[in-house]
Amino acid sequence: GGIITQTPKFLIGQEGQKLTLKCQQNFNHDTMYWYRQDSGKGLRLIYYSITENDLQKGDLSEGYDASREKKSSFSLTVTSAQKNEMAVFLCASSIAWGSQNTLYFGAGTRLSVL
Amino acid sequence: GDSVTQKEGLVTLTEGLPVMLNCTYQTIYSNAFLFWYVHYLNESPRLLLKSSTDNKRTEHQGFHATLHKSSSSFHLQKSSAQLSDSALYYCALSDHSGGSNAKLTFGKGTKLSVKS
Repeated sequence: GGIITQTPKFLIGQEGQKLTLKCQQNFNHDTMYWYRQDSGKGLRLIYYSITENDLQKGDLSEGYDASREKKSSFSLTVTSAQKNEMAVFLCASSIAWGSQNTLYFGAGTRLSVL
Repeated sequence: GDSVTQKEGLVTLTEGLPVMLNCTYQTIYSNAFLFWYVHYLNESPRLLLKSSTDNKRTEHQGFHATLHKSSSSFHLQKSSAQLSDSALYYCALSDHSGGSNAKLTFGKGTKLSVKS
């Protein structure tokens, strides 16, 4: 088995602040993802990385940057936090890119912006 | 583009009654792959079951679903709800033919609340 570790679990920021969320996986999976979870809106893909040196924009990439530092880690940066924003950011990985591959999720980072 | 519709945002049931969570999808591709993910409170979301085979029942942990391509549906069912089934359930779709279409499209989720 393996695990996905997201840090921090809770993140409180100020409007306009740049905030970084980190994700580590020890599955040795090639592909990693960042999703945003909002109540009533489902899971929306922000960025994904098919392999270690790859970076792809998802449907919700505006306002975010991402970095795949190495195979096991994938970071997400909120470039300018929006006032009163509240959401959960979920990191996930899969063994490879492909429709049949199961996604394994972390526990999430809960963001609140004052 | 692809879309997944889960028309119920909240389903409230009494323990012991049958569960049915609706999922329909739209895609221009014929090789649809459908998934149900479950997110229990204070846990990570995880895969519950998946299928790409038309008209074949897939089962896991007491839940089952059958992909019907003729009606573009993949409803999640269980014969008898338990309190521990209370969670957020996501239906998701990807295209089997690979490339950028392999990414998952999630529905908005259905919160299942089971009461005694």
